[in-house]
Formats: sequence, structure tokens, C-alpha cells
Amino acid sequence: GAVVSQHPSRVICKSGTSVKIECRSLDFQATTMFWYRQFPKQSLMLMATSNEGSKATYEQGVEKDKFLINHASLTLSTLTVTSAHPEDSSFYICSAGIYNEQFFGPGTRLTVL
Amino acid sequence: RKEVEQDPGPFNVPEGATVAFNCTYSNSASQSFFWYRQDCRKEPKLLMSVYSSGNEDGRFTAQLNRASQYISLLIRDSKLSDSATYLCVVTGSGGYQKVTFGIGTKLQVIP
Repeated sequence: GAVVSQHPSRVICKSGTSVKIECRSLDFQATTMFWYRQFPKQSLMLMATSNEGSKATYEQGVEKDKFLINHASLTLSTLTVTSAHPEDSSFYICSAGIYNEQFFGPGTRLTVL
Repeated sequence: RKEVEQDPGPFNVPEGATVAFNCTYSNSASQSFFWYRQDCRKEPKLLMSVYSSGNEDGRFTAQLNRASQYISLLIRDSKLSDSATYLCVVTGSGGYQKVTFGIGTKLQVIP
């Protein structure tokens, strides 16, 4: 199947700093990528849809100024958590789709101290 | 009502048992349906797509009932390695293709 990578896999940062997470489709082009967040023992929650060459579409309750998304090319989308706080600690996963199937990155575990 | 609803479980079953999960969805215009498997602290991986005609892959059978708006997953002859969380996934209609996940059903197969 198609491969989606994420970097970094794990990050620990101090409160108030910004963290950038990269999502890459390695063997296919993706005009659309999705960003999810998963808190412990909860389901994956869609945060935003990243659209290549245009603005991201954010789900209700997700602050666009806090979670900056840039989809600069057909193989790369980045999510920047600005001024991170402990409540932003979570598992962030991206996905990209081909023919209705979603392929997921391995996820990034963010811990904000 | 949630867009996609699942019983979170856990379902604790002995090895060799048959277990079934259901998932209901609220949007009748939903286009595509999938079951994903997620192991602890890992990303979800596609288990199988769900077609109106049903879909079988070895010990796994998935079915879709559009009239009642639910999908099901049947696992026969459960193995210890089947222990995981099974996520019901529904995609929207049209170009947007919004993907919605259920909360997942946790399965624990016991020796």
C-alpha cells in the first residue's frame, strides 16, 4: 500500500513553544491530507483538512490560529502547534487518500511540559 | 446523535470464538465504509472495505446495511493476535470526502 511518513515521531517541549509536525506522502501525490488528534482512550478526531495550494478547512472547535497548516506541495503538509500548552499533549496523526482509502502516518506523540 | 457510533467494549472473548461488532452512521449520503484496526499507541491500518454486497477476507466478514445505516464486522475463530481496537470509518459524499471515525471497539482475545 501507499506510504505516509510523519516527523518527528515523538516530541517533548516546554509550554509556550511552537512545534512543527511534517506529513509526507512518499509514493503518491495527495492534494488533500487530513490531520487528526487522539487523546488517551478516545477516538481519532479530525482537526482539519489540508488542501494543497489553498487554505486548510478546520473542524468546529479547532483554532486555526493555534494549529497552523501549510500544504505547500503535493507530498507535504505541515501542522504547527503554536504556543503549545500541556492540554495540547496528544497523539497527532495525518492521513492521505487514494481511491477512497486512507493511509495513515505513524503518528507524532506530543508532550508539552 | 454522533455521526458514527460504536460500542467501545471491551469485548473479552476466548480464543476460537466468533465475535461481531456493529457500527451505525447518521448520514444517509455517506459514500464509503471501512473497518480499520488500531493497535495500542500505533496508527490505524485498513482491515477491509465494506461493500453493499458484503466482503469476506479469511476469518473476517464485513457487511453494509444501507437501509438501517449500519455496518458490521464478524471475526471467526478469534486469535490472540486479533486483540486490538477496531475502528469504523465512514467517508462523506462528494469531493470533500470527509472521513469520520467511530470511537472504536476494543477486542481482547483471551487464551
